[in-house]
Amino acid sequence: AQSVTQLDSQVPVFEEAPVELRCNYSSSVSVYLFWYVQYPNQGLQLLLKYLSGSTLVKGINGFEAEFNKSQTSFHLRKPSVHISDTAEYFCAVIERGGSYIPTFGRGTSLIVHP
Amino acid sequence: GAGVSQSPSNKVTEKGKDVELRCDPISGHTALYWYRQSLGQGLEFLIYFQGNSAPDKSGLPSDRFSAERTGGSVSTLTIQRTQQEDSAVYLCASSPASGGYNEQFFGPGTRLTVL
Repeated sequence: AQSVTQLDSQVPVFEEAPVELRCNYSSSVSVYLFWYVQYPNQGLQLLLKYLSGSTLVKGINGFEAEFNKSQTSFHLRKPSVHISDTAEYFCAVIERGGSYIPTFGRGTSLIVHP
Repeated sequence: GAGVSQSPSNKVTEKGKDVELRCDPISGHTALYWYRQSLGQGLEFLIYFQGNSAPDKSGLPSDRFSAERTGGSVSTLTIQRTQQEDSAVYLCASSPASGGYNEQFFGPGTRLTVL
């Protein structure tokens, strides 16, 4: 069965600094990978996804993530964060050819300080 | 266009009462998912619909939980004899199809508080 680990529950960072949110997964088969963002009192919104092809995926709001199969990781990065990036970020994995039910990580709270 | 909507946005109930949560997916989306989000936890999968049928109910925590979907559209999640541990945010998501590569579109959630 698939599983997802988000290593940091909270990441504080100053505005305009770079940030990396870590995600590792476990699966015996190939996977699809997703990052979602949840702003306060809102539902989740897709940031980016990896399906196949290039391992570097670019998403909305200047975020990008890199799929590393050997390390089973899909870390999310942004070179310069804004106050408005303060939110909860969730990594999710779906096994190819499986039930298509995603498994989500516990989330990482990104807190951007002025 | 209209996104996924959920009602009510907040629900406070007493232990032992039944509650019904509603989800209106994006028009034309055939797949619909229910999740539960507890404080400090990730999203816990509850049930998935493809059309009106539920091929995967494996996440329902107990037989107090049930869900239905009618007309391939609106879905209701019913919790009978609520317990305090049922307190959480219940999220609904819809997707154009059931393929794993499809993005899920989430509603804002219903915050359930059981006193």
